This record gives sequence, C-alpha cells and structure tokens, in this order.
Amino acid sequence: NAGVTQTPKFRILKIGQSMTLQCTQDMNHNYMYWYRQDPGMGLKLIYYSVGAGITDKGEVPNGYNVSRSTTEDFPLRLELAAPSQTSVYFCASSYSLAGVLGYTFGSGTRLTVV
Amino acid sequence: KQEVTQIPAALSVPEGENLVLNCSFTDSAIYNLQWFRQDPGKGLTSLLLIQSSQREQTSGRLNASLDKSSGRSTLYIAASQPGDSATYLCAVRKSGGSNYKLTFGKGTLLTVNP
Repeated sequence: NAGVTQTPKFRILKIGQSMTLQCTQDMNHNYMYWYRQDPGMGLKLIYYSVGAGITDKGEVPNGYNVSRSTTEDFPLRLELAAPSQTSVYFCASSYSLAGVLGYTFGSGTRLTVV
Repeated sequence: KQEVTQIPAALSVPEGENLVLNCSFTDSAIYNLQWFRQDPGKGLTSLLLIQSSQREQTSGRLNASLDKSSGRSTLYIAASQPGDSATYLCAVRKSGGSNYKLTFGKGTLLTVNP
C-alpha cells in the first residue's frame, strides 16, 4: 500500500517557468489537499478537493492551479514561477472531509525558484 | 481565526527521559486534533488522532491528551530514544462550516541525545 505518492522529490525552476507537481493516492480517499511549508512556519493550505471534478481554494491559492479528473490524482500546477513559491509542497488525503480517520501525507516536493 | 502554538520550539533531552510537548489553540470549536512527526527532509507521519469527544489517545510510548475547553493538548513521550529525534507538529481541524483545512503549529524540534 503506497499511500500518497508525490513526484518529483526535488526541483529547481527558473523565474517564469511552469511545472506540475504530481500527487497520487491509492487509498480511495475522496478528499485531497495541497499544503506548502515554509522554513520555520506551519503548513498552509493551497487547494483542496472533495472529489473528482471538484476543487476549491485554500488559504494561499495565488499562483497555483489544480485539477481532479480522477479520485487518485490531484496535480498542482505552478504557472510563471516566482521566488516566493520556493517551499516544500505536501499533498495529503483523507477518508472523510472531517478527517475522522486522520490525514495521510506524501513525502513532499522541495521546490526552489531561482 | 484559529491559531496553533507549540511550546517549546526546540527541546534537547538525554536518552531515557520522559518529556512533554505542548500545543495550544485559540478556538476550542475543533473537530479533532492530530499529532504528526516530521523527519528532516521527509513528509509527515501521523502519530495520534484525538477526536473532540476524546480526552486522550495512546500508541506505544506516546500518549496525547486533549483539553478542548482550555484549548490545550500535550504529547507525552516515555523513555525517549535517539530515534525519537524529529520535529513534532500538532494540527487542528475546526468543527462546523466549510472549513476543511488543518491549522498547523510551527512544531517542536526534539533532539534526544545518546
């Protein structure tokens, strides 16, 4: 059981470039989330999804886009990368929206924008 | 707005010592609270999940308590080991409404010295 898988693990982007961070879960969770973690700070929610075809903004959505065409996949798209997007990105999923059974996190993608 | 504070920010103890990590939150209307462990450069591993109706949860040498009315949770680690060295994060999920995100504290960096 792989849980939540994120790729790539590391990436360096130049300012203005675009990329997609991939996230896949094999637990049949309906609810998926993208968080970013800046040094010395707590995690902040970027986007979340309550099921295939349904997404919504979190606390810090600017500069990002998401899609959810299947239950398993929840990619995060960065358009026109900026240095402020240098961070570690975590994808997570939960069985229920309330996280009754807890949340499962991926191992993260460390992104540097130069 | 929910705010989560973790004290201390860093803690260094000798091996074998029992220790307590603290987490406080400003809004007591929570659905659940979850403790995570994060190893350097890695993702988050869920340790314990406490529902708002529960007072504590135990897993091995870990015991987490929740006092919702006072906005506090503690994570007790018994007989600490060097392998316990990591950052410990607590996160709360607010009850009601459409607030689906977890609010994280900044974490406590624990070092257990052999």
